[in-house]
Amino acid sequence: AQSVSQHNHHVILSEAASLELGCNYSYGGTVNLFWYVQYPGQHLQLLLKYFSGDPLVKGIKGFEAEFIKSKFSFNLRKPSVQWSDTAEYFCALAGGGNKLTFGTGTQLKVEL
Amino acid sequence: DVKVTQSSRYLVKRTGEKVFLECVQDMDHENMFWYRQDPGLGLRLIYFSYDVKMKEKGDIPEGYSVSREKKERFSLILESASTNQTSMYLCASSSLGARGISNTEAFFGQGTRLTVV
Repeated sequence: AQSVSQHNHHVILSEAASLELGCNYSYGGTVNLFWYVQYPGQHLQLLLKYFSGDPLVKGIKGFEAEFIKSKFSFNLRKPSVQWSDTAEYFCALAGGGNKLTFGTGTQLKVEL
Repeated sequence: DVKVTQSSRYLVKRTGEKVFLECVQDMDHENMFWYRQDPGLGLRLIYFSYDVKMKEKGDIPEGYSVSREKKERFSLILESASTNQTSMYLCASSSLGARGISNTEAFFGQGTRLTVV
């Protein structure tokens, strides 16, 4: 079985603050990892993905994530958030058999 | 522009009704997924399909079934709707990755907000 845990359910930051959202997964084999974002009223869209190679991956809008295999983690970071980053963020795992599993999401609110 | 289209944005159905949610993708993707999204619970996988007529149970298949008769279309069926199936339903598609792993981006539809009364 595969699963994803996101421990921060709600995060409130001021503009220009740094962001780190936690994501841990459980799966015994090769994994592919994703972060998706859902802006208010919009559909989910891909922020970044990890398949193999460099464990530090960069995505759109200045986001990055680091895959740490020994910790089963794939945390999302951004050095300086903007008000427009207010959204819900989902970590997702693809293990075997084409199954794509999402975490419970983190609601991020950025205050001016 | 890639597109996943769900037939309805909003639906209101009565308890016990049979409900069909339709999803169509125009990207020739092999994989298609149905999720439900509930506050605090994230996206939970109901069923997915990696080929025509093929289906796999997700994490919460009880009370649901699916149909994939054509590659581009994946239907979710609520056999007898209940109030606890009130939710936002999301359809997604992706291409078949290497090694049988879904390692390509999944594209999502706008969702269907289903209310069962």
